[in-house]
Amino acid sequence: EPEVTQTPSHQVTQMGQEVILRCVPISNHLYFYWYRQILGQKVEFLVSFYNNEISEKSEIFDDQFSVERPDGSNFTLKIRSTKLEDSAMYFCASTRDRDQPQHFGDGTRLSIL
Amino acid sequence: GNSVTQMEGPVTLSEEAFLTINCTYTATGYPSLFWYVQYPGEGLQLLLKATKADDKGSNKGFEATYRKETTSFHLEKGSVQVSDSAVYFCALTPPGGSYIPTFGRGTSLIVHP
Repeated sequence: EPEVTQTPSHQVTQMGQEVILRCVPISNHLYFYWYRQILGQKVEFLVSFYNNEISEKSEIFDDQFSVERPDGSNFTLKIRSTKLEDSAMYFCASTRDRDQPQHFGDGTRLSIL
Repeated sequence: GNSVTQMEGPVTLSEEAFLTINCTYTATGYPSLFWYVQYPGEGLQLLLKATKADDKGSNKGFEATYRKETTSFHLEKGSVQVSDSAVYFCALTPPGGSYIPTFGRGTSLIVHP
């Protein structure tokens, strides 16, 4: 069965540095999402992406964050000037149709030191 | 706003015990309701769903019934296995608009042999 893949599985970064989290959605999917889960807390929606533009974003997704689909397969989340509170598990998800359940990747654990 | 409340974990059971994980929600109208499961080291997977009142979602021996009168969607399984050890997330998507799920905090289930 096709999977959403995320790399790296664990990223350790110094505070203030930029980090790029990578995702390869399922190949025929059209809608892409990023979520984060701070340890012990809820899974929180960050942003959705369709047709090469952001379709919806949460209050968390401020100017520090950006997303990009640089080619036909990758979907990236960039976090500029990372802060300690950005430490979390970041999940990518994709779906072919907006009203269908999303397929999630295994996540990238981001640790900011 | 929309919200999901789950019982605190961890829930620790012996193999073949009966499982209930409580979930209640707050939403306007009739949301769709979901249970996701996250096995260790993996992403979230859809376990079951229900889209209207009194619907019962079921999968892999798990069941949950959409109760509008009590705004609940409790997860049950008659006989748990060690392999069911995971974190379970209750979620909703609101009617008539965004399909972005709102998640609960997750409930960890530990099943001992």
